[in-house]
Amino acid sequence: GENVEQHPSTLSVQEGDSAVIKCTYSDSASNYFPWYKQELGKRPQLIIDIRSNVGEKKDQRIAVTLNKTAKHFSLHITETQPEDSAVYFCADLTGTYKYIFGTGTRLKVLA
Amino acid sequence: DGGITQSPKYLFRKEGQNVTLSCEQNLNHDAMYWYRQDPGQGLRLIYYSQIVNDFQKGDIAEGYSVSREKKESFPLTVTSAQKNPTAFYLCASSPGQGDYEQFFGPGTRLTVL
Repeated sequence: GENVEQHPSTLSVQEGDSAVIKCTYSDSASNYFPWYKQELGKRPQLIIDIRSNVGEKKDQRIAVTLNKTAKHFSLHITETQPEDSAVYFCADLTGTYKYIFGTGTRLKVLA
Repeated sequence: DGGITQSPKYLFRKEGQNVTLSCEQNLNHDAMYWYRQDPGQGLRLIYYSQIVNDFQKGDIAEGYSVSREKKESFPLTVTSAQKNPTAFYLCASSPGQGDYEQFFGPGTRLTVL
């Protein structure tokens, strides 16, 4: 069935370093790939997204890259700060309305 | 945080009781969703609805039921048939019609004693 694999499950980086989280999807018809940030006990918040007709998108310190041939997409955070510490989820949209989420990456930025 | 609300924030129920979680949105979104989140886990789709009076099962629908009688409302009932109902439940909505961004409610933490 459809699934999204997300790696790593935990990631610790020094403040100022970069962090990269990778997701692999299975449905070749997937056409939308969002990334969410979730702080403890809070709702997921969209931080960046990309559509299947685009290879890369950037928003200040955050970027997402998409490789449709390999069916994977990655989140890149540069110049990490302590407030970037959270759980990050990738997802893909299969069909028009059904989202499949990855299992999450707990990012810790060490001051 | 958009106009999507869930109530209550915390809910306690005895084993064997049905319980209904509320989700309301004033964003005029076509699509609404229910997810379950367990500690250290991702979001798993329970049910989703693309339009009023229509809904589809997600990956873990057993033991749950929903209704979509109004565009703004998508309540979720956790029945006694759900074997392990204690979890964090998140409702979401999206505009539909080619606009895919999902907006999440604040969640309801259900504890079954």
